[in-house]
Amino acid sequence: SQQGEEDPQALSIQEGENATMNCSYKTSINNLQWYRQNSGRGLVHLILIRSNEREKHSGRLRVTLDTSKKSSSLLITASRAADTASYFCATAHSGAGSYQLTFGKGTKLSVIP
Amino acid sequence: NAGVTQTPKFRVLKTGQSMTLLCAQDMNHEYMYWYRQDPGMGLRLIHYSVGEGTTAKGEVPDGYNVSRLKKQNFLLGLESAAPSQTSVYFCASSYPRPGTTVTDTQYFGPGTRLTVL
Repeated sequence: SQQGEEDPQALSIQEGENATMNCSYKTSINNLQWYRQNSGRGLVHLILIRSNEREKHSGRLRVTLDTSKKSSSLLITASRAADTASYFCATAHSGAGSYQLTFGKGTKLSVIP
Repeated sequence: NAGVTQTPKFRVLKTGQSMTLLCAQDMNHEYMYWYRQDPGMGLRLIHYSVGEGTTAKGEVPDGYNVSRLKKQNFLLGLESAAPSQTSVYFCASSYPRPGTTVTDTQYFGPGTRLTVL
């Protein structure tokens, strides 16, 4: 069963606005990752945050992790039409199952020029 | 570097036919994975491998078999295709975080779109 659940399922914003997507998970994790998928393409890794980290930045991306609430958020600042894609969170666990990532169902982001 | 490649890109099968999907990676990654993606379902893990000659079942392994005879290749087989196996299949590879078994970043292939009639 899916571990991560993204919220919202779909998001539509104007170019230049910020986009925030949330991910909740159920069991303790070793790391949490965010991926982007353009229509009809493979997934591309965006950012990885480890369980002992609280915030991470990469260009226009900002990821936070709250292990007490079992949740993460992805913020894309100053969005562009090229950011239109589906965004997935994925969790990796310690111990049994550590080899695997468990993906959520994704947030579909539309950025309107 | 080509990264992760998948062949074929598209395939149409009739119910009961068999086929093999090939995944190749040139990053010397230990771990390799096969996922399927269906509308509204995200990615679900079919099988994975943590090294040459080893394979393990994921979340949805029924109807599929895999082999990893060479470190760079991971094959996914459908022995008797069913319409429920119509999906987009993605291969991925990764390395573990040093000193652990935990997967780090996964690198994905472009996908294979399979239709079973």
